[in-house]
Amino acid sequence: QKEVEQDPGPLSVPEGAIVSLNCTYSNSAFQYFMWYRQYSRKGPELLMYTYSSGNKEDGRFTAQVDKSSKYISLFIRDSQPSDSATYLCAMSVDTGNQFYFGTGTSLTVIP
Amino acid sequence: GAVVSQHPSWVICKSGTSVKIECRSLDFQATTMFWYRQFPKQSLMLMATSNEGSKATYEQGVEKDKFLINHASLTLSTLTVTSAHPEDSSFYICSAEPVLAGAYEQYFGPGTRLTVT
Repeated sequence: QKEVEQDPGPLSVPEGAIVSLNCTYSNSAFQYFMWYRQYSRKGPELLMYTYSSGNKEDGRFTAQVDKSSKYISLFIRDSQPSDSATYLCAMSVDTGNQFYFGTGTSLTVIP
Repeated sequence: GAVVSQHPSWVICKSGTSVKIECRSLDFQATTMFWYRQFPKQSLMLMATSNEGSKATYEQGVEKDKFLINHASLTLSTLTVTSAHPEDSSFYICSAEPVLAGAYEQYFGPGTRLTVT
């Protein structure tokens, strides 16, 4: 079983839609949860991070962590064509520890 | 701030030759740098963790004699792919963790696409 599971998609939505991206994980020691956005042929860029359980909102993006279910989500409201990218979830136990990545979900927002 | 550069961004080499990829943190010092590789439509796979001034720690299955990592300073790490073969063709990405970083802080370089012919 992989440490982190993520549906690779692809996911295609119309502009303005709400997008829900999800990951599940098996290691209960994970404490830090990150979402990265990766454009084609580019390195990942950090979108949001959450420590332990709970919600975090930043503009159109909301990250949720449910440690009891080992499930994390990223919601994108009012999606834009510029949001078209691959979204990777990542998790770590602590500072200086390896990040465990999901496979990424490919998202296309259609104008 | 927190910019990481990689050089070159794209390289083609012949089978049997060696290629060096540089990873630099431009505006911060990085205690730890990580090297990943990414195959098409797959996630980032950690290859090794390098700390300044010490030997790199390689993940299981990664040949340390083939993928030489040098972390000579707090702003520079290099990955040398020795005797490259076509199966080494991949997208190599480095990340850097700032000194006194929070657990979420890894800043990624733009990646280097290696093609071995």
